[in-house]
Amino acid sequence: SQQGEEDPQALSIQEGENATMNCSYKTSINNLQWYRQNSGRGLVHLILIRSNEREKHSGRLRVTLDTSKKSSSLLITASRAADTASYFCATFVFTNAGKSTFGDGTTLTVKP
Amino acid sequence: NAGVTQTPKFQVLKTGQSMTLQCAQDMNHEYMSWYRQDPGMGLRLIHYSVGAGITDQGEVPNGYNVSRSTTEDFPLRLLSAAPSQTSVYFCASSYLTGGGGYTFGSGTRLTVV
Repeated sequence: SQQGEEDPQALSIQEGENATMNCSYKTSINNLQWYRQNSGRGLVHLILIRSNEREKHSGRLRVTLDTSKKSSSLLITASRAADTASYFCATFVFTNAGKSTFGDGTTLTVKP
Repeated sequence: NAGVTQTPKFQVLKTGQSMTLQCAQDMNHEYMSWYRQDPGMGLRLIHYSVGAGITDQGEVPNGYNVSRSTTEDFPLRLLSAAPSQTSVYFCASSYLTGGGGYTFGSGTRLTVV
């Protein structure tokens, strides 16, 4: 079964608006990673948040982690058309090393 | 610095044929893995390796073989292609068995007819 599950499945916003997508998981983790996938391309690593961190920023990206609720959110501020892509979360557990699991992703469309 | 290189980018096979998808990385990563991605879905782990000579099965290993004779290369072999193996295949590598984030190749789009 999927460890990380993203919500919503699809999100459509106007350029300049903020986009928020969520990831839920089932078991304890050591870190959680977010990736972007442009159509037909490989995944690109965006940001990693460790289990002892609650919030992390990278440019226009803000990631939060709530281990009590087993959930994470990715916020993209001031979105651009170039942010149009699918976004995936992946969970990592040291004792299960090598078997990071990915959710089905959130497809974000940013309209110019 | 090329990162993770996958070849070929596209391939059409007939049912029953065999082929090898190539993956090479030049970052000296110990960890390498193969995923498949079906339309509208996430990635499912096929096989992975934590170092030369060491491989293990992932979530969907049936119909696929791997070997890791060098740190750089991690080929994926389809033994007898089936239409159910039509998918996009991604190779990924990482330090720390993925704990530090993965670098992905650009993918191989495989169609089995």
